[in-house]
Amino acid sequence: AQKITQTQPGMFVQEKEAVTLDCTYDTSDPSYGLFWYKQPSSGEMIFLIYQGSYDQQNATEGRYSLNFQKARKSANLVISASQLGDSAMYFCAMREKFAEGGSEKLVFGKGTKLTVNP
Amino acid sequence: DGGITQSPKYLFRKEGQNVTLSCEQNLNHDAMYWYRQDPGQGLRLIYYSQIVNDFQKGDIAEGYSVSREKKESFPLTVTSAQKNPTAFYLCASSITWNEQFFGPGTRLTVL
Repeated sequence: AQKITQTQPGMFVQEKEAVTLDCTYDTSDPSYGLFWYKQPSSGEMIFLIYQGSYDQQNATEGRYSLNFQKARKSANLVISASQLGDSAMYFCAMREKFAEGGSEKLVFGKGTKLTVNP
Repeated sequence: DGGITQSPKYLFRKEGQNVTLSCEQNLNHDAMYWYRQDPGQGLRLIYYSQIVNDFQKGDIAEGYSVSREKKESFPLTVTSAQKNPTAFYLCASSITWNEQFFGPGTRLTVL
C-alpha cells in the first residue's frame, strides 16, 4: 500500500496567488517526519520544509508553510504569493524505519506538477 | 562551495555493460544515499550508507552495487543484471534525517 499519496498530478495557479498541494500519509509509527521537496526541470531536488510528528506548530519557511493535520494524516504544502519560478514538480516524503532495524529511509509520493501562470 | 557533485550528467550504456555513476560530497556528511526516479514517479531508494565501509540495501537494490571506501564518495555501479536501468539517478547525503541534500543527478539511457 502507498505510504505517501499525492492526489493532484497537476495544479495550475496564477502568479501572486496562493496554492495548496495535498499530501496524505500512512504510518503506525508515532515518531515520523514529513518533508516537501521541489524538483525543477533541471532535476535537482531542493528541500523546502520539514514537519516532525511531535511538533506542536505547523512548520513555516518563508513563503512555504505546512498545514499539518495529524488526525487526518495530512501534510499539505501551502505556497503563498506564487512566483513563475515556483513552476516545478513537488514531492512529499515521509521518514520511516526499515522493518529489520533502527535505520530510517525516506518514502516519496509520486509528485504534483505545479504550473504558475503569468 | 559545499555540495554534492554527480558525474556524468548524461550516460549512455549498451546492453550487457556495467557502468559506474560517481557521487562526491564535501559537506562532511556521514550518511549517503542513492535513489532512482522513473518518469512520473517519485524517488525509490537503491542503497544507503550511514558510515564509511558500511552500506545497506534499499527497496530496489537488485542489479546495483555500491562501495563506501571514503566518507566523501559513494559510487553506484549499474550492472548488467539490472534489466531496466534507464532512469534518472540521484545521490543524496545527510547529517541527520531532518534534511537530505541532493546532487544534480545522472540520466542513464540504455541503447
